[in-house]
Order: sequence, then C-alpha cells, then structure tokens
Amino acid sequence: GAVVSQHPSWVICKSGTSVKIECRSLDFQATTMFWYRQFPKQSLMLMATSNEGSKATYEQGVEKDKFLINHASLTLSTLTVTSAHPEDSSFYICSAVTGANEKLFFGSGTQLSVL
Amino acid sequence: SQQGEEDPQALSIQEGENATMNCSYKTSINNLQWYRQNSGRGLVHLILIRSNEREKHSGRLRVTLDTSKKSSSLLITASRAADTASYFCATDGSGNTGKLIFGQGTTLQVKP
Repeated sequence: GAVVSQHPSWVICKSGTSVKIECRSLDFQATTMFWYRQFPKQSLMLMATSNEGSKATYEQGVEKDKFLINHASLTLSTLTVTSAHPEDSSFYICSAVTGANEKLFFGSGTQLSVL
Repeated sequence: SQQGEEDPQALSIQEGENATMNCSYKTSINNLQWYRQNSGRGLVHLILIRSNEREKHSGRLRVTLDTSKKSSSLLITASRAADTASYFCATDGSGNTGKLIFGQGTTLQVKP
C-alpha cells in the first residue's frame, strides 16, 4: 500500500520559535494532502487542504499566518507552526490521497510540545 | 466541523468477545470509512463502505451502513488484546475531494 512519511515524530521547542513538519508520499504522487490536529483523547480536526502548486485551503478558525503550508512538489507538503505557543502543543497528522480520492494514507504523526 | 458522532466513547471487553462501535453522521456521503489509531500514532485504514453498500466484511471486521438513518457500525469479532486502540469513522461528504470528517472515536480496550 501507499506509504506516507511524516517527520519529525516529536519535537519540543521553546515558546516563540517556529517548527516545520514534513509530510512525504514515498511511493506515489499526492496532488492533495491534508493536515489534521488532534488533542489528547479527541478526534482529528481538519486544519487545511494542501494542494500542489497552489495555496492551501484552510478550515474555518485556522489561522493561515500561524500555520504555514507549502506543497511545492507532488511528494512533499510542509506545515510550519510559526511563533509557537504552549496552546499549539498537539499531535499533528498529515494524510495524502491517491488518485481515486477515496482512501487516505496517514503519516505517523508529530507530537509538538511547546514549553 | 466534526460531523460524526460515535458511541460508545469507551468500551472495555475481554479477549474473545465481540466489540461493536456505532457512528452517526449528518450529511449525505459517497462513502464511509473506519480507521484505527494506536495511542500516539497515525491512523490505519480498516475498511471503506460505499453509500450504495449495506454491509462489508474484512477478516474479523464487519461494517454496516444505513444511509436512511445516517449511521454505521463496526463489529470486531473474536477480539484480541492487540485490537486495543481507538477507532474512528470518517465521512467524505458528497464532493469526493478526499477531505474526510472524523467522528469522535471509540476507545476500545481488550483485556487478555
């Protein structure tokens, strides 16, 4: 099956710094990737849809200047949490669709802890 | 916004027993999917059922879909301790964009 690699798995940073998370589709081209956020014991909340070669589409309530998304190639999307604060601490997960736009393949997630 | 509601929120059973989880949604769909998540990990796709299907099987998994009631159920038969995880349903809406909306999830604990 399709493989999505997400890096890093976890990161601890100081408040005010920026953190970049990478999501790669290893064996297929993903024109569309999705970024989700998950708080402990809660469900996944869709943050944004990342489209290769164009601007990301953000869900309501998600600050686009806070969560910068870049999808420069068909196999890589990045999420940068800018000027991170403790309330940004969360589990971030990316996913990618195959050509059929049905089944999603997920990365293993990134646990962000902002001190 | 999250449109899926799942129940129960938590389920604890003994190994060998069956586990049933339910999911309800609000809008029309093309398909409904079930995913599994081990603690602190990404999601693993389990099964997809299309809106014109009523039941689907995959190994020890059985999924039903009732579009008139906008609900689905996931049955895991002969559960094992390794089935301990959170299970989420997800719907795609009708736009076939790949964008999924997840339910709140059911945390399943299977005791050995």
